[in-house]
Amino acid sequence: AQKVTQAQTEISVVEKEDVTLDCVYETRDTTYYLFWYKQPPSGELVFLIRRNSFDEQNEISGRYSWNFQKSTSSFNFTITASQVVDSAVYFCALSERGNNRLAFGKGNQVVVIP
Amino acid sequence: GAGVSQSPSNKVTEKGKDVELRCDPISGHTALYWYRQSLGQGLEFLIYFQGNSAPDKSGLPSDRFSAERTGGSVSTLTIQRTQQEDSAVYLCASSNGLAGGNTGELFFGEGSRLTVL
Repeated sequence: AQKVTQAQTEISVVEKEDVTLDCVYETRDTTYYLFWYKQPPSGELVFLIRRNSFDEQNEISGRYSWNFQKSTSSFNFTITASQVVDSAVYFCALSERGNNRLAFGKGNQVVVIP
Repeated sequence: GAGVSQSPSNKVTEKGKDVELRCDPISGHTALYWYRQSLGQGLEFLIYFQGNSAPDKSGLPSDRFSAERTGGSVSTLTIQRTQQEDSAVYLCASSNGLAGGNTGELFFGEGSRLTVL
């Protein structure tokens, strides 16, 4: 069964600090997809990234970067030089090949203090 | 509209009443999902539609919950005889493919916040 664990519930950082969000997943499938979504106070989830299980390259997009390590079943997300606009709940999610659903973690509430 | 639209945005009801929540997906998206988000919890999968059929409704928590989709577009989630534990934000998402398929990106609405008194 698919399972995603985001252990840190709330993380507070001072503006310009870096913050890393941990995501650990469980799956029996060899082909799967990992996602990160951002949920700002408005409530609408915003897609950030999708990564398939065969692509372990790390990715950087502006101040966002992702570290995928199959050996530890982790897909961690780092925000560099955080800004107040980064304050949101961030969800990690997993879908298995041929499975219709995304399984979400409980989310990380990030609070960036100016 | 350009995005996923949900209505009502807020609904307060009394225990035992029925409620209907509506989702208007992005035009052309064949896949539609309902999720529930309770305070302090992640997103709980409820049901998935491909076109008008629901191949996966395994997440519906009880037979008080039902959903339908018509014309491959609008979907309605109905909760009968509401209970206080049904209070949550109900999120709808649409996609133009399977979650594990070619796109994988789900586009979410802003949700319908349900409060059962």
